[in-house]
Order: sequence, then C-alpha cells, then structure tokens
Amino acid sequence: GQNIDQPTEMTATEGAIVQINCTYQTSGFNGLFWYQQHAGEAPTFLSYNVLDGLEEKGRFSSFLSRSKGYSYLLLKELQMKDSASYLCAVTNFNKFYFGSGTKLNVKP
Amino acid sequence: DAGVTQSPTHLIKTRGQQVTLRCSPKSGHDTVSWYQQALGQGPQFIFQYYEEEERQRGNFPDRFSGHQYPNYSSELNVNALLLGDSALYLCASGAPLGRENYGYTFGSGTRLTVV
Repeated sequence: GQNIDQPTEMTATEGAIVQINCTYQTSGFNGLFWYQQHAGEAPTFLSYNVLDGLEEKGRFSSFLSRSKGYSYLLLKELQMKDSASYLCAVTNFNKFYFGSGTKLNVKP
Repeated sequence: DAGVTQSPTHLIKTRGQQVTLRCSPKSGHDTVSWYQQALGQGPQFIFQYYEEEERQRGNFPDRFSGHQYPNYSSELNVNALLLGDSALYLCASGAPLGRENYGYTFGSGTRLTVV
C-alpha cells in the first residue's frame, strides 16, 4: 500500500520561515514532488526531488531522505499569497500518490 | 502554449445519472492521468491513458471508465453517480512510462456536484 503523511494545518507569520514535513511509505519510488494548491484551483508544481539532499529554488527549498522516507518543504520570507495547501506526492512509474495536503495560513 | 484544458469547469448531476468529463493535454504531452480530489483531501489516482489504452488504474470501481483519442485528448466517464462522487476531478498530462516525470501539468479541474 501507499501511505503519505503530512500535518493537516500550520500557521506562520508573514516574513517568517516555515517547514512542512512529509513522510512516506510506498511500494515503489521514482521521485517526490511538492505542489501548491490554492482553494478551488489546480495544483501547481513547486519542486521535484529524486536524489537525497536539498533542492533550492528561490524562496522555496525541498529536502529528501530516501532511506528515512522523509521530505520537507521550506518556505522563506513568507508572503500572504503563500497561504494555500501544500501537497506532497510520491511518484511511481508516472503515477502520483498524494498526501492529504497541509493547509498553511500566513498571518500578518 | 496552452496548458491542460478541462471541460466543463462545473457540473451538477443527479444521483444515478452518468457524466462525461473532458481533458485536452498540454501540447507535446501524450499521457493523460485522471485524479479525484474530495474536499480537504489530496488527489487520488483514478487511471492513466497512453496510446489510447488504460495503462494503470487506481482503486476505483468499474463505474469509472475512460477513453483516449488519437489526438491524445481524454474523457472520464462515471456511471450510476453517487453522492460520494462529488469532488474536483483533475486531469494531468505528461510523458509516458519510463520518461521524465518532471513535466507533469495539471488542469484546473471539473467541480462535480451530485445531488
């Protein structure tokens, strides 16, 4: 089976840094994606990790440890527009297994 | 360059009816996958089409079926609708098996409400 866990909800302050964790147990693994999804909209791509380590992309960074089945998404210099759900997804042969998402609330 | 296009954007159906949702993949993509996203949940994989055939399937009943046309566009059909089928249905297009996952793109989805 596939099991992907993320916290349900987090709150952070504008300008701060927040880390969203994701743990997974899947029967196969090709890579791990992070998507951002605003309410009522499609998920949009943020990052992709296939090897262990940190991938940095502007204000967003994502880390992967395949041996631990663990990833995190780091958001720096939070902005109000970062309020959204963040989805962790493991891919196995082009099939995505999503976590339930973490709703991030950014407060002034 | 158009991304993934889905139609309709919203739909209301009655229990027991049938529905067809449509998806046009991003230019250059030949694989289409469908996902169901219930409110407050992550998307759940329904099935994937490549070369007009269903290649992979998630844990969904046979009431959910699909089709892919030679131009790579795809349809999702749901028969005998249940209240629990109410969800956002997402289409994603990308590269086929064995190729790079990186280019997967999601459409804006069809919001289906069953009453």
